[in-house]
Amino acid sequence: SQQGEEDPQALSIQEGENATMNCSYKTSINNLQWYRQNSGRGLVHLILIRSNEREKHSGRLRVTLDTSKKSSSLLITASRAADTASYFCATDARGGGADGLTFGKGTHLIIQP
Amino acid sequence: ETGVTQSPTHLIKTRGQQVTLRCSSQSGHNTVSWYQQALGQGPQFIFQYYREEENGRGNFPPRFSGLQFPNYSSELNVNALELDDSALYLCASSLARLSSGANVLTFGAGSRLTVL
Repeated sequence: SQQGEEDPQALSIQEGENATMNCSYKTSINNLQWYRQNSGRGLVHLILIRSNEREKHSGRLRVTLDTSKKSSSLLITASRAADTASYFCATDARGGGADGLTFGKGTHLIIQP
Repeated sequence: ETGVTQSPTHLIKTRGQQVTLRCSSQSGHNTVSWYQQALGQGPQFIFQYYREEENGRGNFPPRFSGLQFPNYSSELNVNALELDDSALYLCASSLARLSSGANVLTFGAGSRLTVL
């Protein structure tokens, strides 16, 4: 079953604009990660935010986490054509162990040149 | 440093057959996990292997099984294939983590299985 739900399911913007996508999840987490996937290929890790953090930056990426609302957002600034991909949030449950990551259904982002 | 490699990239099977997918972990990683990604969905956790033993499993039936070898490579076996098994199968490697550590995954490009 999918824990996370990304919103919107699809997003199309012009190159240079900012893209924001959101993720909601259901249970307590240890951390939350964002991954990118190009055209049904493998996923690439983008950024991780721990449950005791509220905001994190990496290059053009900004991630926020609100554990009270069980939600996260990913902002990509100054978008480029190469950012066209599907973006997934993945939660890592509290308690550690070998539970694997729980992924949402993803947001498909299209950057129009 | 090599990444995660998977084979084959594509394969077609018929219902009832068996399939074996293979994965080589990234150098330095000792844990491997497998995910199933149906079309238009996010990846779903199948199981994880550490020290050649399964140490975590998602909601998949026993006909999904795996192996991890001493060199940390891995196999995913699926018996009695069903139409719904058609999906992209992703292998991911990572370093074994402490209970408070993060499980950051390095994925392969996947094996696309079509069951007819």
